[in-house]
Amino acid sequence: GAVVSQHPSWVICKSGTSVKIECRSLDFQATTMFWYRQFPKQSLMLMATSNEGSKATYEQGVEKDKFLINHASLTLSTLTVTSAHPEDSSFYICSARRDRGYETQYFGPGTRLLVL
Amino acid sequence: SQQGEEDPQALSIQEGENATMNCSYKTSINNLQWYRQNSGRGLVHLILIRSNEREKHSGRLRVTLDTSKKSSSLLITASRAADTASYFCATDGGFGNEKLTFGTGTRLTIIP
Repeated sequence: GAVVSQHPSWVICKSGTSVKIECRSLDFQATTMFWYRQFPKQSLMLMATSNEGSKATYEQGVEKDKFLINHASLTLSTLTVTSAHPEDSSFYICSARRDRGYETQYFGPGTRLLVL
Repeated sequence: SQQGEEDPQALSIQEGENATMNCSYKTSINNLQWYRQNSGRGLVHLILIRSNEREKHSGRLRVTLDTSKKSSSLLITASRAADTASYFCATDGGFGNEKLTFGTGTRLTIIP
């Protein structure tokens, strides 16, 4: 149990386009989902925390208008990178947690974004 | 930055040997977790140790926690080629501050 999927697994797009990444908890309901960004050979940096039915909480330095997060249901959160530029190229990973009583976050396989 | 540090940054050992990775963090924690990441993949949860615990075992994994030194270690015994991956520690501050802060990671290579 506790499987998290992401779609797409990789995407290449032109500069200026928007890209949507989906994160799904397949066999449990996730009240909270997290979005991370990871540059090559570096650690994960939290971008935002998403709670179902409410606005996401963004970390300092992360532009909320550029990285739109929607947590519309207990099993789905989406991250939209708007007007993507080459510097947005990265590995985006989501994680999901059942509820506040569970400490473990379950991670998706990640989405590699390349902006040309 | 509240990010923790791990050392070594990279470690190469022969298959069958033990691998030890260390993690240091900066603030008070509720839990500390270790994750594994294979190249280009997501993270796999390995083990969670609470702030009131000092040692925990899971199969070939042994984790220690020293809250006075704000440090933890992960020991993998009898390493296998499949253990080749990056290993990250992550801490959270407990109820009300549950987001994870990841360490810089250790890249482990097991030489067959």
